[in-house]
Amino acid sequence: DAKTTQPNSMESNEEEPVHLPCNHSTISGTDYIHWYRQLPSQGPEYVIHGLTSNVNNRMASLAIAEDRKSSTLILHRATLRDAAVYYCILSFFGAGGATNKLIFGTGTLLAVQP
Amino acid sequence: DTEVTQTPKHLVMGMTNKKSLKCEQHMGHRAMYWYKQKAKKPPELMFVYSYEKLSINESVPSRFSPECPNSSLLNLHLHALQPEDSALYLCASSQEGRSNQPQHFGDGTRLSIL
Repeated sequence: DAKTTQPNSMESNEEEPVHLPCNHSTISGTDYIHWYRQLPSQGPEYVIHGLTSNVNNRMASLAIAEDRKSSTLILHRATLRDAAVYYCILSFFGAGGATNKLIFGTGTLLAVQP
Repeated sequence: DTEVTQTPKHLVMGMTNKKSLKCEQHMGHRAMYWYKQKAKKPPELMFVYSYEKLSINESVPSRFSPECPNSSLLNLHLHALQPEDSALYLCASSQEGRSNQPQHFGDGTRLSIL
């Protein structure tokens, strides 16, 4: 299973953009890049995922490097509610059956200052 | 509010007890998952069910016994657990278990073994 590397912690100010980096140098061509976050006392929450192209949704944007060895999750305007552990995960693609194994790394603890 | 419901939210049991954790989803998802999360650690995959059949068992001890009686329901039967099994047990579901499909998590059952 391919691994991801993230900084242990980051800080941001409220209403400013946040760029959360992730390295995945051993990614294979069929691995999807997923981001989840986990708020205190809650289960993980899906944020965004992508394969090769940059992706946007209502929560965030995902910027994927051309060689796919790294990616960046972008929160456009951080709020206090965005304080959480953010996990960058590679998910293997296979034909048929349940191959969606999410192998969580240690994640980045994001603190948001008012 | 999450769309994956786990009961009970908290469970305290002795090492000789038998108990079950329950997980329910009504999103029409055909893949369901059990994860274990120790304090301050990332979630670890335990089991994957695809179309009500066990697809992945991550070498989990036999004192944990999963069951998927129908497409909406996932149980985890517990017997003769050890104190080190105290953890947050998370259930998740996804549309079909393919790696480009997000997983939806419940908020977990916090289990304490006396």
